Amino acid sequence: EAQVTQNPRYLITVTGKKLTVTCSQNMNHEYMSWYRQDPGLGLRQIYYSMNVEVTDKGDVPEGYKVSRKEKRNFPLILESPSPNQTSLYFCASRARNGGYGYTFGSGTRLTVV
Amino acid sequence: AQTVTQSQPEMSVQEAETVTLSCTYDTSENNYYLFWYKQPPSRQMILVIRQEAYKQQNATENRFSVNFQKAAKSFSLKISDSQLGDTAMYFCAFMKRRYGNKLVFGAGTILRVKS
Repeated sequence: EAQVTQNPRYLITVTGKKLTVTCSQNMNHEYMSWYRQDPGLGLRQIYYSMNVEVTDKGDVPEGYKVSRKEKRNFPLILESPSPNQTSLYFCASRARNGGYGYTFGSGTRLTVV
Repeated sequence: AQTVTQSQPEMSVQEAETVTLSCTYDTSENNYYLFWYKQPPSRQMILVIRQEAYKQQNATENRFSVNFQKAAKSFSLKISDSQLGDTAMYFCAFMKRRYGNKLVFGAGTILRVKS
């Protein structure tokens, strides 16, 4: 089954403790992206990648890091999480032809206390 | 920069009736894609329907159809014969056709289908 898999589904952590949210896709997609969803704001892009070793900032990159060492994987790293990063996070991927939009993972609910 | 506006935070509809969700956007691009995504309580993001801006014909997917007005920058979603399973948050989204690396989302509309 074609899908984007992200883990964990839920995560509660404390301020300052480094964490990684994993994301993997099995569709051989070139583009991958991370979004955060907050009430009243919709989804906003954090980082994106157009291919292996090619990443760039989205609209809200502060406090996040990403890497794209393999085509299928695109982890999101929070090196020193803060409470304002409490949110619902989505990883997504798409093919070079963007007409079919992005395929999304099932989301990670992160709470930073 | 592109922006997407969904002016209806919440809507409700009776089962089997028709409802229309509004979406307007602002862009200087001429070639782009527009999408409606559905997010049920499971929080999964599901693509409902898509429209390519250079195609004048409105997209249709079963009970879902759009009214795409390019000059007015409007992209509304019509759901016919509403079902309880249509209860969800609906997001309108925009993406540039050329070098489109991101979806720009509206704030969403919560749709409740009542029996």
